Amino acid sequence: GAGVSQSPSNKVTEKGKDVELRCDPISGHTALYWYRQRLGQGLEFLIYFQGNSAPDKSGLPSDRFSAERTGESVSTLTIQRTQQEDSAVYLCASSLLGGGYGYTFGSGTRLTVV
Amino acid sequence: GQQVMQIPQYQHVQEGEDFTTYCNSSTTLSNIQWYKQRPGGHPVFLIQLVKSGEVKKQKRLTFQFGEAKKNSSLHITATQTTDVGTYFCAGPKAGSYQLTFGKGTKLSVIP
Repeated sequence: GAGVSQSPSNKVTEKGKDVELRCDPISGHTALYWYRQRLGQGLEFLIYFQGNSAPDKSGLPSDRFSAERTGESVSTLTIQRTQQEDSAVYLCASSLLGGGYGYTFGSGTRLTVV
Repeated sequence: GQQVMQIPQYQHVQEGEDFTTYCNSSTTLSNIQWYKQRPGGHPVFLIQLVKSGEVKKQKRLTFQFGEAKKNSSLHITATQTTDVGTYFCAGPKAGSYQLTFGKGTKLSVIP
């Protein structure tokens, strides 16, 4: 597609439930990133996929968080047993490697845990 | 670990005034990138600087990369209401394409 697509755009879930967030990167972008942005805050790195290499999971805040990517395509971020502190906007970005084009971000998924 | 710091956190300016935000990294960077996030929106890539001492201009925006490649600045001349938003700098983690973002400078422009 023309841009990075994320779904759902909004998700309200009850504390303790699992949620799955989806990201469709730009076709041909080998790198895919997940960031979390709490209200009025900066971007917190979660996980990074590059081609077929093992993902960099160093930013995942707990073992309740996991992510997968199918080849160089769709990625899903799963949060198990959601807590209120998980409420945030989850941003996905993709990029070409090198070239100075930066990241292209999706519009994000706003997660609210009640 | 790597830290990227930005100042100021907030800036309110009268329309037509100039604005500058500063970015400092705890480590030497291979490049620095700048993003703009409009209220309610997502970050949008503005520019990447690679060379020591590099200066790039985009209309009223001037970006600089320090000689030591540890700091950068974004200067906006004669701000307009369309400049409102949060400006983030970001630098790559060593040996990776993963970016560490600063906390951003939120710019408000008073018409």
